[in-house]
Amino acid sequence: AQSVTQLGSHVSVSEGALVLLRCNYSSSVPPYLFWYVQYPNQGLQLLLKYTTGATLVKGINGFEAEFKKSETSFHLTKPSAHMSDAAEYFCAVTSNFGNEKLTFGTGTRLTIIP
Amino acid sequence: DSGVTQTPKHLITATGQRVTLRCSPRSGDLSVYWYQQSLDQGLQFLIQYYNGEERAKGNILERFSAQQFPDLHSELNLSSLELGDSALYFCASSPPQGGAAGELFFGEGSRLTVL
Repeated sequence: AQSVTQLGSHVSVSEGALVLLRCNYSSSVPPYLFWYVQYPNQGLQLLLKYTTGATLVKGINGFEAEFKKSETSFHLTKPSAHMSDAAEYFCAVTSNFGNEKLTFGTGTRLTIIP
Repeated sequence: DSGVTQTPKHLITATGQRVTLRCSPRSGDLSVYWYQQSLDQGLQFLIQYYNGEERAKGNILERFSAQQFPDLHSELNLSSLELGDSALYFCASSPPQGGAAGELFFGEGSRLTVL
C-alpha cells in the first residue's frame, strides 16, 4: 500500500517569496508521484508528475518538484509566489503505470500575503 | 475546462433519501474514478471503472453504488443518506492504457448537502 504525508495543512508566504510545500511518501514499490492543485470551487488540476527519469520535474505556473528516494520526499517549490498561487495543493502517489487509482494526501492550503 | 462534466453541481436533500450523481468523462477516456472530498476525511477514493467494468474499489459504503454505461458515462448512487454523507463528490477520467500515467482529469464536482 502507498501513502503520502503532507506536512503543514496551512502555509502562508509573502508575495515574491519562496513557496515550499512538503510531501513524503511511503511505497513498497517504485512510486509515481504527483502534485495537483485545487482552486476555489474547482476540480483538481495536475501541476506536475514524476514517473521515471529525471528526478527534478517542472510543471505548470513555474512550479517544480524533486524526487528524492533517499528521503522519500517529493517537495513542491516555486521561487517566487504570486497572488494567483493561492489554492489547495495535493500530493498523490500510485505504484503502477496506467490507470491505477491515486492515493492523495490531506492537502496544504497555500495563502499568499500581499 | 478539463472536459469532464458532472451534474448536478449542487444538491440538497434530506436524510434517508437517495440521489444519483452523473459524470461524463473526457472524449476517449475509458476510466472513470469517483472521489469523495470532505473536511474531516480529505480526498477519499471510492471506486474506479474501466470501459464498463469495475476496476478498483476503495472506501465506498454499501449504501453507495456506481456503474459505467456503454457510452462510458458513469453514475454514482447514494442511498439512505446520512448527515455525514454531505461532501463534494468528484469524478475524474484518465486516458486509455499507455497514456499519461496517473494523470486524472477532474470534473468540478457535485456538492451534496444532506439536511
